[in-house]
Amino acid sequence: DSGVTQTPKHLITATGQRVTLRCSPRSGDLSVYWYQQSLDQGLQFLIQYYNGEERAKGNILERFSAQQFPDLHSELNLSSLELGDSALYFCASSPSSGGARETQYFGPGTRLLVL
Amino acid sequence: GDSVTQMEGPVTLSEEAFLTINCTYTATGYPSLFWYVQYPGEGLQLLLKATKADDKGSNKGFEATYRKETTSFHLEKGSVQVSDSAVYFCALKPGGGSNYKLTFGKGTLLTVNP
Repeated sequence: DSGVTQTPKHLITATGQRVTLRCSPRSGDLSVYWYQQSLDQGLQFLIQYYNGEERAKGNILERFSAQQFPDLHSELNLSSLELGDSALYFCASSPSSGGARETQYFGPGTRLLVL
Repeated sequence: GDSVTQMEGPVTLSEEAFLTINCTYTATGYPSLFWYVQYPGEGLQLLLKATKADDKGSNKGFEATYRKETTSFHLEKGSVQVSDSAVYFCALKPGGGSNYKLTFGKGTLLTVNP
């Protein structure tokens, strides 16, 4: 158990809908990262937040957005969902701003299925 | 940009066999290198890491050495067990600047038969 929690574990929804994925980082960790794992793209970095502020952006679609709240939990919002958004979404956390040597600890993931 | 190339799987071994999963990378500067493991139905777990050239990471009988001259970080284990069956991911994190994301390889599925 990494100490990172994600809810829900599974999510089934329809095209065009909007969903929110939630992540609670390890106690004391200030950085939260979101990754998407799909069969065709593999594991891809989406976005990083550090202590409430956006720190880095990766291959995140404009239909997706995220935020980190004062209690440090984070939410990833996915809207106007398409079939291709079906994937496993991971949240990870690290103690500080994410230096090169710092380990990221991953949650169990949320499996999203868009029908 | 940064990239990680892993040997294509799947890899199927018998229990107690020797394991090698090759990983090479392309990156500027001095990245940190990681191996993560994903057991069936679970999230990613850090297996081991190395943060500078010639460092050896080790955990649970697995080892990998950071070779800057060959830009490699191959994963090895002397005697695999059925419980090692999982997907293994090699990853790097850039050595400088403000880009702290992990770049992953495509993963290698390992199946160990009794």
